[in-house]
Amino acid sequence: DAKTTQPPSMDCAEGRAANLPCNHSTISGNEYVYWYRQIHSQGPQYIIHGLKNNETNEMASLIITEDRKSSTLILPHATLRDTAVYYCIVRPPISNFGNEKLTFGTGTRLTIIP
Amino acid sequence: EAQVTQNPRYLITVTGKKLTVTCSQNMNHEYMSWYRQDPGLGLRQIYYSMNVEVTDKGDVPEGYKVSRKEKRNFPLILESPSPNQTSLYFCASSSPSGGANTQYFGPGTRLTVL
Repeated sequence: DAKTTQPPSMDCAEGRAANLPCNHSTISGNEYVYWYRQIHSQGPQYIIHGLKNNETNEMASLIITEDRKSSTLILPHATLRDTAVYYCIVRPPISNFGNEKLTFGTGTRLTIIP
Repeated sequence: EAQVTQNPRYLITVTGKKLTVTCSQNMNHEYMSWYRQDPGLGLRQIYYSMNVEVTDKGDVPEGYKVSRKEKRNFPLILESPSPNQTSLYFCASSSPSGGANTQYFGPGTRLTVL
């Protein structure tokens, strides 16, 4: 799986947009970008994923650069409940006969400030 | 509600006393997996299963067993627990969709072996 680089920590004011960057300069053409988060010792929670196009769901938006070497997760109106460790993961498409293991790096610890 | 459940959520036991941590999912997912999370080491995969009766070792399988007799259940068995198996355990499940494979995690089981 492609290696990702994320800042170790970020702060964001409550109500503002939180923009979390991820660098994945060695990403392959068929690899997806996934974002998960883990709120204090709870199970990791899927947020969003994308391949080439920008994506939006009820939780967040994912902006992928045209060369696909980096991406940004946007939480549009951060709340205190968004305080968590956010993981950017790059991995190939599904494999019918393979291990779908997720490799979590160290992530970004996002703290929402009241 | 689509979910992955684990039981027990917390367990304190003694060295050598066999235990089972159950994992169940209600999403009809083919793929299931167990991870452990330790400070400074992140999430590491223990075992995974691609379907009923198909299981394989992950990165840290020593001291653990699994079984997959039914699609919805994937129990983790510690035949003779030792203190180095004190950890936070997560079960995950997924099913491929449109080329991507989003994984859903259980709430975690915090195990302490004395």
